[in-house]
Amino acid sequence: NAGVTQTPKFRVLKTGQSMTLLCAQDMNHEYMYWYRQDPGMGLRLIHYSVGEGTTAKGEVPDGYNVSRLKKQNFLLGLESAAPSQTSVYFCASSYGASLATEQYFGPGTRLTVT
Amino acid sequence: AQSVSQHNHHVILSEAASLELGCNYSYGGTVNLFWYVQYPGQHLQLLLKYFSGDPLVKGIKGFEAEFIKSKFSFNLRKPSVQWSDTAEYFCAVTGDTNAGKSTFGDGTTLTVKP
Repeated sequence: NAGVTQTPKFRVLKTGQSMTLLCAQDMNHEYMYWYRQDPGMGLRLIHYSVGEGTTAKGEVPDGYNVSRLKKQNFLLGLESAAPSQTSVYFCASSYGASLATEQYFGPGTRLTVT
Repeated sequence: AQSVSQHNHHVILSEAASLELGCNYSYGGTVNLFWYVQYPGQHLQLLLKYFSGDPLVKGIKGFEAEFIKSKFSFNLRKPSVQWSDTAEYFCAVTGDTNAGKSTFGDGTTLTVKP
């Protein structure tokens, strides 16, 4: 199993450009999440999905959109990138809402917006 | 709402020293608690978790944590650290009404000097 994979690993964007980050998991997990990690701020939840075709806002959703058309994929879109979106983005997945389930993380995407 | 506080932002130890990283959470219901570790340049991975039963849980690489419900704490410990333990450590909590979403602390960077 590859686990959770993310593409691309690195990206540099100019302000105003758009891009999509792809997350894929092969563990048949129901739940998927997108986080951003910034120095000294831990992980902040952007959006999440509790199943195919459903998405919900997390803690910091502004400026981002997501889609979960297939159970194994969770896409994160930036329609008009801003320097404040420079960050490392992590995707994660978990079996479901059971309290006992931990999250499995991807390797991250380092995004720089100039 | 659930929240997590990690008291130490940066800890520096010499090899063989003992480690204790503090984690306190705020939530009124049943919780699951996690410690994740992020080695330099890598993604987050689960170190250990508590969901029920014995409040002293053991994880990988000799780490353990104790859930003290009365103190809302879940401190991470290791009796003797190694240089390879240099990493960032995140405490996370999932409450029983939060649909599987975890809230992460800001992280503690541990540097172990050889």
